[in-house]
Amino acid sequence: ETGVTQSPTHLIKTRGQQVTLRCSSQSGHNTVSWYQQALGQGPQFIFQYYREEENGRGNFPPRFSGLQFPNYSSELNVNALELDDSALYLCASSFRTGWDGYTFGSGTRLTVV
Amino acid sequence: GEDVEQSLFLSVREGDSSVINCTYTDSSSTYLYWYKQEPGAGLQLLTYIFSNMDMKQDQRLTVLLNKKDKHLSLRIADTQTGDSAIYFCAEKGPGLTGGGNKLTFGTGTQLKVEL
Repeated sequence: ETGVTQSPTHLIKTRGQQVTLRCSSQSGHNTVSWYQQALGQGPQFIFQYYREEENGRGNFPPRFSGLQFPNYSSELNVNALELDDSALYLCASSFRTGWDGYTFGSGTRLTVV
Repeated sequence: GEDVEQSLFLSVREGDSSVINCTYTDSSSTYLYWYKQEPGAGLQLLTYIFSNMDMKQDQRLTVLLNKKDKHLSLRIADTQTGDSAIYFCAEKGPGLTGGGNKLTFGTGTQLKVEL
């Protein structure tokens, strides 16, 4: 059983640029969630995808968008990067209800300069 | 709305028990979780408890839930240096508008285990 894998592990971007982060779900999981973890903080929910559709969103602006593919993998896209977007971005997969917890990847560390 | 609070730091001696506390505000929380995060790593699910339970034990871990006071604790018996990490409490609240679910995390408790 493979876990959740994210790529890249680290990324440096310039303010105003766009970035795409990728995530492969754990085998058998059909739901993907994305979280942003700023330094010294707990993860904050960005959005969740199920059956290739967004089915829940946190308090993040529209320049944060995502996709889920038929194989349940996912992308997080951020446009017009701001310095405050610097954070660890975590992908988590689960079954539909996620009652038994989410499996998290190791994250992508994004630095915006 | 949901809010989860934890104390920031805890220091214990190796072999002692550690107790990490958490309070939450959403009375409709269905499940509560404890995650561990080591430096530079993602989150590892340690254990979870359903909201109609008072206690759950899993090897060295004991979770206590006081639903009336909205208080959750994680006890780690015989704490080892490998337990040094940040521990996050998280609640799973009611479903989102689109049918999804989210976890609301606390700010994390840094556990330091000293020899």
